[in-house]
Amino acid sequence: AQSVTQPDIHITVSEGASLELRCNYSYGATPYLFWYVQSPGQGLQLLLKYFSGDTLVQGIKGFEAEFKRSQSSFNLRKPSVHWSDAAEYFCAVGQSGGSYIPTFGRGTSLIVHP
Amino acid sequence: EAQVTQNPRYLITVTGKKLTVTCSQNMNHEYMSWYRQDPGLGLRQIYYSMNVEVTDKGDVPEGYKVSRKEKRNFPLILESPSPNQTSLYFCASSLYSGVSNYGYTFGSGTRLTVV
Repeated sequence: AQSVTQPDIHITVSEGASLELRCNYSYGATPYLFWYVQSPGQGLQLLLKYFSGDTLVQGIKGFEAEFKRSQSSFNLRKPSVHWSDAAEYFCAVGQSGGSYIPTFGRGTSLIVHP
Repeated sequence: EAQVTQNPRYLITVTGKKLTVTCSQNMNHEYMSWYRQDPGLGLRQIYYSMNVEVTDKGDVPEGYKVSRKEKRNFPLILESPSPNQTSLYFCASSLYSGVSNYGYTFGSGTRLTVV
C-alpha cells in the first residue's frame, strides 16, 4: 500500500529565508505526487504535481519540488519565503493507472517570522 | 468560477440528530470524495465516488453515508452523529479518477461539532 511521510510537524523560518519541506513516499511503481497548501480557514489548494518527465516541477506561488526516485522523496522548496506563505502543507501520493485514491501525509505547519 | 461548494461552513448539533452536509461542483468532474481532517492525523478519506451511482468506502466510513444521484452533487449524511465525528470535513473533486489525474479541487470545509 502507498504511504506518505512528512517528517516535520512544524517548520519555522524567517521571512526572506529559503524553505524546504520534506516528503517521503512508499509506493512500488512510479507514483503521482502532489503538494497542497491549506491557508487558515480555507480548503486545500494544489501547488504542483509530478506525473512523469522532468523531475524538477514548478508550481504556483513560486514553489518548486524535486522528485528523487533513489531517495523516494518529493521535497518542496521556495527560495525566499513571504509572510503569506504561513500555512499547512500536505504532500500526497496517488497511483498511476487504475483507480485513483490518493494518500495524504499528516501535514507540515509553516510558521514565518518577520 | 470553477469551484466546489460545501454547506454549511459551521455546524453545531446534538448527538443522534441526523444531518446532511452538501457538496456541489460545477466543473463536470467525475470523481468526488469526502475527507475529514483531525489534528495530528491529517486527511482521511471517508467515501469516494467514481461517477454517478458509483460510491465506495474510504479509510474511515463508519457512521457516514453518501449518495451520488447527480454528477454535480455528493452529500455526506450522518444518520446518528456522535461526538467522535466532531471534525473538519472537506469535499473534493477531480476530473478523472484514472491515469489522467489533474489533482483535486477542494471545498472550503465544514467544521462540525457534535455535543
